[in-house]
Amino acid sequence: QQQVKQSPQSLIVQKGGIPIINCAYENTAFDYFPWYQQFPGKGPALLIAIRPDVSEKKEGRFTISFNKSAKQFSLHIMDSQPGDSATYFCAARTASKLTFGTGTRLQVTL
Amino acid sequence: NAGVTQTPKFRVLKTGQSMTLLCAQDMNHEYMYWYRQDPGMGLRLIHYSVGEGTTAKGEVPDGYNVSRLKKQNFLLGLESAAPSQTSVYFCASSRDRGGSEQYFGPGTRLTVT
Repeated sequence: QQQVKQSPQSLIVQKGGIPIINCAYENTAFDYFPWYQQFPGKGPALLIAIRPDVSEKKEGRFTISFNKSAKQFSLHIMDSQPGDSATYFCAARTASKLTFGTGTRLQVTL
Repeated sequence: NAGVTQTPKFRVLKTGQSMTLLCAQDMNHEYMYWYRQDPGMGLRLIHYSVGEGTTAKGEVPDGYNVSRLKKQNFLLGLESAAPSQTSVYFCASSRDRGGSEQYFGPGTRLTVT
């Protein structure tokens, strides 16, 4: 049972474009929603995170939008760069652990 | 600080063989986690620990055992490896309960033939 559904599976955008990755959840007990970034051959690393009482959070070129009533959240990357090419995972936290989405492989072309 | 380290980096096993993956962290974190990563499946939690001497089952625990005898180490064991356990294994640690920020190791690529 996939508790956090992530789409799309892969995404190709041109440099300067704004890729958007979406996640949806069902469990209302989730109380924290981080995004992790993973480069090939490396472990994932925390990119940005949001709590459900906030509708938007920005850190640099990365923005999370959160819609509590729809149980959806999304990651936007402004002015995307080739260095942003990586796999992105959304996640949701319950009391003791994170549940991850299936990942989105992003490629930013020149 | 080395952060989270994993050994070995690569391993090939034959069906039925056993092995132990070692995870070590030098951040004095209470919480540690083992995940497996498979194409199209994301990161799935195998087992986790909320402190020295404790372990708990995650989403996909069957075929794996773990031990946390020391706070800094978390071991993942495969008693009788199966081809379905071919995967990339990641260890992670966090300071707080629920792992709002988890620090991941570099991974171990395991192939079971």
